[in-house]
Amino acid sequence: DAGVTQSPTHLIKTRGQQVTLRCSPKSGHDTVSWYQQALGQGPQFIFQYYEEEERQRGNFPDRFSGHQFPNYSSELNVNALLLGDSALYLCASSLYHRQSNEQFFGPGTRLTVL
Amino acid sequence: QKEVEQDPGPLSVPEGAIVSLNCTYSNSAFQYFMWYRQYSRKGPELLMYTYSSGNKEDGRFTAQVDKSSKYISLFIRDSQPSDSATYLCALGGDYKLSFGAGTTVTVRA
Repeated sequence: DAGVTQSPTHLIKTRGQQVTLRCSPKSGHDTVSWYQQALGQGPQFIFQYYEEEERQRGNFPDRFSGHQFPNYSSELNVNALLLGDSALYLCASSLYHRQSNEQFFGPGTRLTVL
Repeated sequence: QKEVEQDPGPLSVPEGAIVSLNCTYSNSAFQYFMWYRQYSRKGPELLMYTYSSGNKEDGRFTAQVDKSSKYISLFIRDSQPSDSATYLCALGGDYKLSFGAGTTVTVRA
């Protein structure tokens, strides 16, 4: 049973650039949530996708956007990168209608903005 | 005030000791209570999940929830060097998880 996968593993960008991160959910899951984890902090919720729509959003600016595809995989896009966007970006998958909020995380993409 | 406060640590214990980790929360709407383990530069791994007050055991791990006090705990018995990691408490409402900042635990052989 394939778990949550993310790509790439690491990424280095410069300020002002744009980045796209990718996630494939655990087999059988239909919902993808994205989190940002700064060094030494817990993950912070960015947004959640279900049925190819953004369902919920955390306190992140519009520079952060996403997409979900018919096969449930998802992308996170960040425009106009800032130094403060350097973090581990985590994707979590779950079952929308299970209502249990049990989420399984991928290994993350470490983004460094120079 | 943060939604979830976690004892910051770090904790360093000898092998075989009991590790005690704690979080408090302010929002009584949280319904689901989880503990994740995160090794350095890896994604969080779900360790324990519960939705009711009381204790839940899984091997050497015991999760404790007290909804009236808004307090959750994780106990690790007979700790091993392989338990050295950062432990994150996570509380769930209807769609997102709210995490504590994590406690880094080192188990000395």
